Amino acid sequence: DQQVKQNSPSLSVQEGRISILNCDYTNSMFDYFLWYKKYPAEGPTFLISISSIKDKNEDGRFTVFLNKSAKHLSLHIVPSQPGDSAVYFCAASETSGTYKYIFGTGTRLKVLA
Amino acid sequence: KAGVTQTPRYLIKTRGQQVTLSCSPISGHRSVSWYQQTPGQGLQFLFEYFSETQRNKGNFPGRFSGRQFSNSRSEMNVSTLELGDSALYLCASSPGSGGPLHFGNGTRLTVT
Repeated sequence: DQQVKQNSPSLSVQEGRISILNCDYTNSMFDYFLWYKKYPAEGPTFLISISSIKDKNEDGRFTVFLNKSAKHLSLHIVPSQPGDSAVYFCAASETSGTYKYIFGTGTRLKVLA
Repeated sequence: KAGVTQTPRYLIKTRGQQVTLSCSPISGHRSVSWYQQTPGQGLQFLFEYFSETQRNKGNFPGRFSGRQFSNSRSEMNVSTLELGDSALYLCASSPGSGGPLHFGNGTRLTVT
């Protein structure tokens, strides 16, 4: 049973436009969420996180939105740059003090120049 | 600060053999986690070690085991390898009190 789902395997966006990556979860006990970016032949790199007491967190061009009632989170990248082309994973855990993160299957973002 | 180091980067083994993967965490980090990445399955949690003790475990068979040493370095062992064990094995470290994981570049294991 996939508790964290990324239903779009791939996404293409023009440079300078907004990229929106989506993630759905089924476990209502999840209260800490993260986004990672992964380039080929490298490990995932942490981008941004959000706890369930918030509904939005921003860091530069990256913003994560959390809708607890819909069990949905999204990552917005504005403006998108060619260097953002990578696979993006969302992850969730039941408490922020544990490292048992459940990851989605990833969305491959391609930013077109 | 050096990042998480995993060795070896690539490994080819035969079915039935066993394998040991190594991970050196970021200096000062006391928690080490292991994940398996296969195509279409995302990253699946194997186990997490903190101060030489397994603190969390995922849903993998007992053929997958690990340990952590007093210097926080960790090893993961897979015995009686199966073709389905072919994957990228990722190690991640963290200070130990929550927050994001810092991943290494992984060990690509191929079982033939």
